Amino acid sequence: AQTVTQSQPEMSVQEAETVTLSCTYDTSESDYYLFWYKQPPSRQMILVIRQEAYKQQNATENRFSVNFQKAAKSFSLKISDSQLGDAAMYFCAYRSGAAGNKLTFGGGTRVLVKP
Amino acid sequence: EPEVTQTPSHQVTQMGQEVILRCVPISNHLYFYWYRQILGQKVEFLVSFYNNEISEKSEIFDDQFSVERPDGSNFTLKIRSTKLEDSAMYFCASRQTGRGYTFGSGTRLTVV
Repeated sequence: AQTVTQSQPEMSVQEAETVTLSCTYDTSESDYYLFWYKQPPSRQMILVIRQEAYKQQNATENRFSVNFQKAAKSFSLKISDSQLGDAAMYFCAYRSGAAGNKLTFGGGTRVLVKP
Repeated sequence: EPEVTQTPSHQVTQMGQEVILRCVPISNHLYFYWYRQILGQKVEFLVSFYNNEISEKSEIFDDQFSVERPDGSNFTLKIRSTKLEDSAMYFCASRQTGRGYTFGSGTRLTVV
């Protein structure tokens, strides 16, 4: 079974600075998708960014970018120019590209943004 | 932008009672899911539903749980006899082929 590990329970960042959240995963598959979700205090799950494993280019969405290292099974999220609204729980998630299409989540990283 | 709608937003129920959590997925989506998140813990997969049947379920999804798509628009999760440990946030999600997931806002279930 696939597992997703987020080793940082909490990260703190100064407003306008950059923070990087780590995520590693374990899989024997070659076809899969990776996601980062943001969960603010309202507890809604909001998609931040997604990466297809077959793409070598790292995904970018405005201030959010990933560093996808397939061989190392690492998928980190970089938040640039951090804003107060970025404060939330961030979950890394994995989805197989083959049979079964559920998301497997990591344990989450809480991001605190200091003004 | 289309949304996944979940009702109620918060439900309190007595232990042993049945509850039905309701979801209206995005209309042209084909895959439907339920996840749960116990407070302070990770989001856990419960069940996926495609083509009017369960396509996968987790070990959490035992005989106390069932899902239904009764009328082609609603997607419900029923817990037959609730336990204290069923207290959690329950998320419905849907997706279209080749696309990402859209989550609802969740239903907070409190079992007392």
